[in-house]
Amino acid sequence: AQTVTQSQPEMSVQEAETVTLSCTYDTSESDYYLFWYKQPPSRQMILVIRQEAYKQQNATENRFSVNFQKAAKSFSLKISDSQLGDAAMYFCAYRGPGSGNTPLVFGKGTRLSVIA
Amino acid sequence: NAGVMQNPRHLVRRRGQEARLRCSPMKGHSHVYWYRQLPEEGLKFMVYLQKENIIDESGMPKERFSAEFPKEGPSILRIQQVVRGDSAAYFCASSPIAGEKLFFGSGTQLSVL
Repeated sequence: AQTVTQSQPEMSVQEAETVTLSCTYDTSESDYYLFWYKQPPSRQMILVIRQEAYKQQNATENRFSVNFQKAAKSFSLKISDSQLGDAAMYFCAYRGPGSGNTPLVFGKGTRLSVIA
Repeated sequence: NAGVMQNPRHLVRRRGQEARLRCSPMKGHSHVYWYRQLPEEGLKFMVYLQKENIIDESGMPKERFSAEFPKEGPSILRIQQVVRGDSAAYFCASSPIAGEKLFFGSGTQLSVL
């Protein structure tokens, strides 16, 4: 079964600095999708960034970028120029190939604090 | 276009009662997924439904839990005879096409006394 591991239960970063959140996963598939979700105190799950495994280029969304290392099965999230509003739980998630009935598998999350 | 709507936001039940959680997907979305989040844990898949059909219920407990997504109206997650271990946040997500980006609701926090 696929598993997703986030080894950092908590992280903190100074405002305007850069922070990297780690994620590793285990799969025997060659084609799959990886995601980072943000969960602020409101509890809403917000998609931050998505990566298709067949794409070698790392995905970027404004201040958010990933370092996707397929051979190492690593998918870290870098947040640049951190803002107070970035404080939240961040979840790494994996979805296997095929149609929509392959559910997302989530890690346990990393709680990010941003220090003013 | 309103997002995924879940209600109630908070639900308190005593042991042995029934809990009904509702999810209205985004307009035009016919694929609904239910996830459960225990404290300090990630979300765990429960069930995937399309209109009037259960596609994958591999994450659903075998007893007391059921889900439906009727032709008209919201998707319902029903928990009969709740126990304290059912206390969790239950999230619904929807998508327009199978496998596409999921849009999540804000969840229902179930507390069992």
